[in-house]
Amino acid sequence: EAGVAQSPRYKIIEKRQSVAFWCNPISGHATLYWYQQILGQGPKLLIQFQNNGVVDDSQLPKDRFSAERLKGVDSTLKIQPAKLEDSAVYLCASSSDRDRGLHEQYFGPGTRLTVT
Amino acid sequence: GNSVTQMEGPVTLSEEAFLTINCTYTATGYPSLFWYVQYPGEGLQLLLKATKADDKGSNKGFEATYRKETTSFHLEKGSVQVSDSAVYFCALTSASGGSYIPTFGRGTSLIVHP
Repeated sequence: EAGVAQSPRYKIIEKRQSVAFWCNPISGHATLYWYQQILGQGPKLLIQFQNNGVVDDSQLPKDRFSAERLKGVDSTLKIQPAKLEDSAVYLCASSSDRDRGLHEQYFGPGTRLTVT
Repeated sequence: GNSVTQMEGPVTLSEEAFLTINCTYTATGYPSLFWYVQYPGEGLQLLLKATKADDKGSNKGFEATYRKETTSFHLEKGSVQVSDSAVYFCALTSASGGSYIPTFGRGTSLIVHP
């Protein structure tokens, strides 16, 4: 079974530029998550999709961050314009709805973003 | 809202020492509890899980028991190895409006010396 794929693995941009990250979840997983992990901290949930609908985006800075999951499969997360404080690792994870109440998550390798 | 509190790291131990990493939580209802591990240069992976009170999750010699009365899920291992050096995250998922929302602690770094 293929794992969660993310690209790119690393990205360096200047502040005020835009950037996009891509995630392909495990086949058949209905729920997809995007997290921001700042160095030394735990993952912070940005947005959670179930199929192509948004379940929770309460911590997504909507003035600069956006995400979509077309067709309920892969997903993109965009930042526009980037700020210095957006430097972090962006993690994508997915889980199956077949184990309701558990939702064990499978994580991708992450994208390390550096904003200069 | 929900929250997870872990002990501050780093935790530094000698090989074969006993490990405890404390985790307490605040959540409505009956959350599922998890420990995830992140080895250097790798993504997070599930270490163990428990879905109801008094359940014990175990894997690779690690154990944690779901204690509802103390809202805790402490991670333990009887004899750590150098290869256990990693960052450990305590997490929960809690039902909210028909969906299950995850919350993570800030992680505890474990360093094991030979």
